[in-house]
Amino acid sequence: GAVVSQHPSRVICKSGTSVKIECRSLDFQATTMFWYRQFPKKSLMLMATSNEGSKATYEQGVEKDKFLINHASLTLSTLTVTSAHPEDSSFYICSAVGLVYEQYFGPGTRLTVT
Amino acid sequence: GQQLNQSPQSMFIQEGEDVSMNCTSSSIFNTWLWYKQDPGEGPVLLIALYKAGELTSNGRLTAQFGITRKDSFLNISASIPSDVGIYFCAGQLEAAQGGSEKLVFGKGTKLTVNP
Repeated sequence: GAVVSQHPSRVICKSGTSVKIECRSLDFQATTMFWYRQFPKKSLMLMATSNEGSKATYEQGVEKDKFLINHASLTLSTLTVTSAHPEDSSFYICSAVGLVYEQYFGPGTRLTVT
Repeated sequence: GQQLNQSPQSMFIQEGEDVSMNCTSSSIFNTWLWYKQDPGEGPVLLIALYKAGELTSNGRLTAQFGITRKDSFLNISASIPSDVGIYFCAGQLEAAQGGSEKLVFGKGTKLTVNP
């Protein structure tokens, strides 16, 4: 099946610093990737749609200047959490869209901001 | 916005029992997907449904795309301990409704299987 990787799997950073999370589709090309955020015991909340070669589309309420998304190639999208604060601590998950529009998810990145 | 009502929220069953969970919506979807998520992991795609009325199996899992395109169910037969996890349904909107590949997720069904 389609494989999506994320790096890092866990990251701890200090308040005010920036963190970059990578999402890669390993065995297929994805013109569209998505970034989600998940709080404990909750469902996935879509943050933004990442389109290769164009600007990301953000969901209502998501600050585009805080969550920078870059989709520079057909296999890589990055999410940078800028000037992170403790409330940004969460589980961030990406997904990549396959040939028949099904979404394959990465294993997630646990971000802790101290 | 669109919402999916997924039920039950949680289930506690004995190993070997069958399980059924479902999702309903007021919106029409052109694709239904079922995912399983283990703690600390990303969701794993179990079954994808593309046509109204479609019944698809994947091992002990069976899912159906409702004929009205507003609902779907997932059945797990002869449950085993490794079936434990949270199961999410997800619907993809019709392109005519301004949808794209974006998914709308249910709130999840937490399954516990007692050996």
